[in-house]
This record gives sequence, C-alpha cells and structure tokens, in this order.
Amino acid sequence: AQSVTQLGSHVSVSEGALVLLRCNYSSSVPPYLFWYVQYPNQGLQLLLKYTTGATLVKGINGFEAEFKKSETSFHLTKPSAHMSDAAEYFCAVSEGSYGGSQGNLIFGKGTKLSVKP
Amino acid sequence: GAVVSQHPSWVICKSGTSVKIECRSLDFQATTMFWYRQFPKQSLMLMATSNEGSKATYEQGVEKDKFLINHASLTLSTLTVTSAHPEDSSFYICSARGPLAGSYEQYFGPGTRLTVT
Repeated sequence: AQSVTQLGSHVSVSEGALVLLRCNYSSSVPPYLFWYVQYPNQGLQLLLKYTTGATLVKGINGFEAEFKKSETSFHLTKPSAHMSDAAEYFCAVSEGSYGGSQGNLIFGKGTKLSVKP
Repeated sequence: GAVVSQHPSWVICKSGTSVKIECRSLDFQATTMFWYRQFPKQSLMLMATSNEGSKATYEQGVEKDKFLINHASLTLSTLTVTSAHPEDSSFYICSARGPLAGSYEQYFGPGTRLTVT
C-alpha cells in the first residue's frame, strides 16, 4: 500500500527565506509524486509533479522538488518565500500507469506554511 | 484548459434534508471523477471514484446509500448527501481525470462547504 508522510504540520519562515517542506512516501511500484497548494476555502492547485525522467522538477511560483528514490523523499523547496506563499501544501502519491487503483491519489496530512514579514 | 467547477460553493441545510453537489469538467471530457472529503485542518480523504455510465466505487467506510454518486455524462458528476446530519458538515472537493486518454493527472474543483444545522 502507498502512503505519504509530511514532516511538520506547520512551518513558519520569514519573507525572503528558504522554504523547505518535507515529504516521504512509500510505494511498492515506481510512484508518481505531486505537490498541491490549497488556499483557504479553495480547491487544490497543482504545483508540480514527478512521473519519470529528470528527478528535479520545477513547478509554478518558483517552487521545485527533487525525487530521491534512495531516500524515498520528494521535498518541496523555494529559494525565497513570499507572503503570497502562505497556504496549505499537500504531497501526494499515485501508482500512475501501474494503477489498478485507477491512479488514485494518496495525500499526506498537509503542511501549513506561514510567512512572516 | 482542464477546468473543473463545483456548484454550489457553499450550502447550509437543515438536518434530515438532502443536498446535491455538482462537479463539472468545463473544457474536457472526464471518464473518471473523484470525490473527496476534507475536515478542518486535515487532509483530503477519498470517498469514491465515479466512472461515467457505471456505478461508483466507494472507499471502505463510506456509506454508499448516504452519499449517492451519479456520473451521468462525461462532464458531470453529482454527489447527493441524503438525510444530512451535522456530522456530515465538511468541505467536499471533486476532481476529474483527463483530458487525455490514459491520463493520470487529476484536476480539482474549488470545493463545496456543507454546513448541516
């Protein structure tokens, strides 16, 4: 079975500081990995995804993540935080093309990012 | 492209009544749609997977007679909460997979806030 662990339910950074949100996964097949952002009372917006190929993936709003198979990790980073980055971030895994589960997404519990001025 | 809408965005209903939530893929056809439930400050929990023209597949612990899902067309899925109770109050989010055949990516709607009084 697949699972996702996000370390830290709440991360606080200063504006301009590095953002690091941690995500570890478990999967019995090569995973597809996703990061989503959710603003209050809104749905989820895809930040970036990893399927195959280059392990460092770049997404929207200056975010990027690196797939590290040996560490079963997919941490999300941004060099310089902006006030508008304050939101809830969810890491998710799916079995992708292996999905007899229809490619269902399994979400982590989320990390709330606060950005201090 | 790949826009998903939900209606209504929020609804208040009295205990014992039924509420219908619509999920539409606006610019693509979605053979598969997903319904999630999100409690405050928690992650998304998959309730069911809806395939056009067939019965929905419910996750363990989800009452299919209480949460009726209909996927009558390639652009519309509905979730009806029957005989709603205060514990059904939650944020309901749908997603649609597509648009390309064999696509793994899910596009999320903006969510519906249900409050049962």
